[in-house]
Amino acid sequence: RKEVEQDPGPFNVPEGATVAFNCTYSNSASQSFFWYRQDCRKEPKLLMSVYSSGNEDGRFTAQLNRASQYISLLIRDSKLSDSATYLCVGGGADGLTFGKGTHLIIQP
Amino acid sequence: NAGVTQTPKFRVLKTGQSMTLLCAQDMNHEYMYWYRQDPGMGLRLIHYSVGEGTTAKGEVPDGYNVSRLKKQNFLLGLESAAPSQTSVYFCASSGGRRTTEAFFGQGTRLTVV
Repeated sequence: RKEVEQDPGPFNVPEGATVAFNCTYSNSASQSFFWYRQDCRKEPKLLMSVYSSGNEDGRFTAQLNRASQYISLLIRDSKLSDSATYLCVGGGADGLTFGKGTHLIIQP
Repeated sequence: NAGVTQTPKFRVLKTGQSMTLLCAQDMNHEYMYWYRQDPGMGLRLIHYSVGEGTTAKGEVPDGYNVSRLKKQNFLLGLESAAPSQTSVYFCASSGGRRTTEAFFGQGTRLTVV
């Protein structure tokens, strides 16, 4: 199986700041990408899909760069409730491959 | 809406005991997965299935077996539990191989003593 690599962090960010994560994927055949959020001791849940043209959902913006094989997530005006682990996911012929996650801590 | 249901939610086993974890989904999904998650290790794929009657090994399959006799169910078996299998186990399902999101169960917290 191909890899999805993320910086594990933790990223300690003051409330209200903008924070960005990247992840890289090694399988050029990956066809779909997602960001998942996982809270402590809970199951991962879909945050947003990632499209080649880039997409935005409120304070969250996701970008895909196929040429460089990386995906990014930007969080603006961060809230305390954004503290979580963010998982980068690539989808291909044999299903979904998860990165190990980036731990984000928003500090008051 | 049930989505993905895992049973049991918690279990304590003695070394050498066997058990089966059940995952059931009611979304008619083709793909199902079993992951384990350990502190600092992220989600690691144990086995997965791309359809009824099929299974395949993931990243960490040793010590586990799986079966997908019915499309809606994916069973994970531990034949002889070891302390190294203490972990949180997540089941997930997705509708297809390319563009659909995965839905997770709430997890099974297994302790092997």
